[in-house]
Amino acid sequence: AQSVTQPDIHITVSEGASLELRCNYSYGATPYLFWYVQSPGQGLQLLLKYFSGDTLVQGIKGFEAEFKRSQSSFNLRKPSVHWSDAAEYFCAVGVANFGNEKLTFGTGTRLTIIP
Amino acid sequence: DARVTQTPRHKVTEMGQEVTMRCQPILGHNTVFWYRQTMMQGLELLAYFRNRAPLDDSGMPKDRFSAEMPDATLATLKIQPSEPRDSAVYFCASGFGQGAGELFFGEGSRLTVL
Repeated sequence: AQSVTQPDIHITVSEGASLELRCNYSYGATPYLFWYVQSPGQGLQLLLKYFSGDTLVQGIKGFEAEFKRSQSSFNLRKPSVHWSDAAEYFCAVGVANFGNEKLTFGTGTRLTIIP
Repeated sequence: DARVTQTPRHKVTEMGQEVTMRCQPILGHNTVFWYRQTMMQGLELLAYFRNRAPLDDSGMPKDRFSAEMPDATLATLKIQPSEPRDSAVYFCASGFGQGAGELFFGEGSRLTVL
C-alpha cells in the first residue's frame, strides 16, 4: 500500500523568503502525486499535481514541485512567500491504476508566515 | 462556479443521537469520497463511491456509520448512535476520471458530540 511522509509538522518562514516543504512517498509503481492546501475553516484545494512527463510541475499561487524518483520525493517550493500563504499543506499519493481513485494523504505541514 | 456543497457546516449533538451529513457533489463528477479530519489522525478516508456504487468503506466503523448515494446529486453519511470520539470535521470530495485524479473538496461539516 502507498504511504506519504511529511517530516515537518510546522514551518515558520519570513514573508518574502523562499519555501520548501518536504514530501516523501512509498509506492511500488509510478505514483500520481498531489499537493493540496487548506486554509483555516476551509476544505482542501489542489495546488498542483504530477502524473507523468516533466518532473517539475507548476501550480497555482506561484508554487512548484519537483518529482524525484530516485529520492521518492515530491517537494513543494515557492521562491517568495506571502502572508496569505499561511495554511496547512498536504501531500498526497494516488495509485496509477485505472479505476482506483483513492488518495493517501500525509499528515500535513502547517506553514506560519512572520513579517 | 462549481463547488461541492456540504450541510450542515456545524453540528453539535449529544451522545447517542443520530447525525446525518449531506453532500452535493459537482455536477458531472462520478466519484464521491468521505474523509474525516482530526488532530490526532489527520485525514482518514471513510468511504467512496463511483457512479453511486460503494467501492470501499473499509475505513468506516460499520457498526455505527453508513454512507449512501441515493442519487447522483446527493451523498449522505450517517452516524447512529453518535459518540464523543466521532467529533471531527467530515469532508466530502468529488472527482471524475480514470485513475487517481483531482479531488474537489467541500468546506466540511464540523461535528461535536457532547
